Amino acid sequence: DAKTTQPNSMESNEEEPVHLPCNHSTISGTDYIHWYRQLPSQGPEYVIHGLTSNVNNRMASLAIAEDRKSSTLILHRATLRDAAVYYCILRDPYSGAGSYQLTFGKGTKLSVIP
Amino acid sequence: DTGVSQDPRHKITKRGQNVTFRCDPISEHNRLYWYRQTLGQGPEFLTYFQNEAQLEKSRLLSDRFSAERPKGSFSTLEIQRTEQGDSAMYLCASSLGQYTGELFFGEGSRLTVL
Repeated sequence: DAKTTQPNSMESNEEEPVHLPCNHSTISGTDYIHWYRQLPSQGPEYVIHGLTSNVNNRMASLAIAEDRKSSTLILHRATLRDAAVYYCILRDPYSGAGSYQLTFGKGTKLSVIP
Repeated sequence: DTGVSQDPRHKITKRGQNVTFRCDPISEHNRLYWYRQTLGQGPEFLTYFQNEAQLEKSRLLSDRFSAERPKGSFSTLEIQRTEQGDSAMYLCASSLGQYTGELFFGEGSRLTVL
């Protein structure tokens, strides 16, 4: 599986934008980029996913580099509820394990300062 | 609430005992997954079902681990002869369809083996 690299931790002030980076230099053409987050004492929660184009939803935006070797999850206005571990995951839905499996790394622990 | 529910939320057992966890997925979801998460790590895939068929089980950690989904609805994960190393959070997730960007996770069942 292609791997991702994320910073171990980041801090943000409340009500400011947060940019969470993810490097995936060995990404293949059919890998989708997924982001999940895990709040304390809860299961992971889907945030967003994309293939090539930037994506927006009510939770966040996903900016994908033109060469697809990196991506950035953007939280437009951090709240205390956004304090969580954020996982960047590559998944190829058309190949074997990718059709059913998410491979989580350690993610980035985001702290939000009031 | 129509999300994924898991029971029990917490289980403390003595080494050598058997434990069983139950997962009730979102009702229309035909895919069900089990993951394990140890402290400080991301979730680790264990097995998955499509309807009642267990299509991938090679990642179950040992032959002490087994999972069932007898009628394609709820699922159980059993650990026989528990060991202290089995202490972890056991997460269940479900999804709809052949491929979807989104897995819905439950809040997990935390196992402590004394």
